[in-house]
Amino acid sequence: KAGVTQTPRYLIKTRGQQVTLSCSPISGHRSVSWYQQTPGQGLQFLFEYFSETQRNKGNFPGRFSGRQFSNSRSEMNVSTLELGDSALYLCASSLVGRGPTSYEQYFGPGTRLTVT
Amino acid sequence: GEDVEQSLFLSVREGDSSVINCTYTDSSSTYLYWYKQEPGAGLQLLTYIFSNMDMKQDQRLTVLLNKKDKHLSLRIADTQTGDSAIYFCAERGSGNTGKLIFGQGTTLQVKP
Repeated sequence: KAGVTQTPRYLIKTRGQQVTLSCSPISGHRSVSWYQQTPGQGLQFLFEYFSETQRNKGNFPGRFSGRQFSNSRSEMNVSTLELGDSALYLCASSLVGRGPTSYEQYFGPGTRLTVT
Repeated sequence: GEDVEQSLFLSVREGDSSVINCTYTDSSSTYLYWYKQEPGAGLQLLTYIFSNMDMKQDQRLTVLLNKKDKHLSLRIADTQTGDSAIYFCAERGSGNTGKLIFGQGTTLQVKP
């Protein structure tokens, strides 16, 4: 079974631009969560989508948004990029259902975003 | 509030056991996880433990949970140089959520 895939793997943008990152979950997984990883703040939760609805949201400004499609693929968008948005953006998918394995969260390799 | 703390660095000799510790504050945590991150890579799920368990063993990995003290540990037996990485513990709260709260990560250095 293929793992979580994220595209693109690397991205360089300029301040003020916007960016869209994509995440394809493991087949059959219905929940997708997004995290930002930086050296200073560590891993921080952005949001979670389940059945095309945002189920949870972290403490990030409104410039960060996301969505989920009917096939469970998810995108996140960052508008008006700032230098501080440079980070590794990770998405994770989980099954959601019955049994303990439904709580396993599997991460993709991440998208490295550099804002100049 | 939700907070997870880990020591930042651990150095061991190849063949020794490694013990990485973690404390958390959310008493309603349902699942606690250990992830491994190698340079330039995403997070690899190593193991997890449900909050009503005290111990879980999976090959070279042993997870111990002291719910009273909100203390979690990961023991790696017969540590190898390939185990060198950053290890994160994470907690998942109760309710309908996939949100994980991560510690800051422990860098494990394995010396040959």
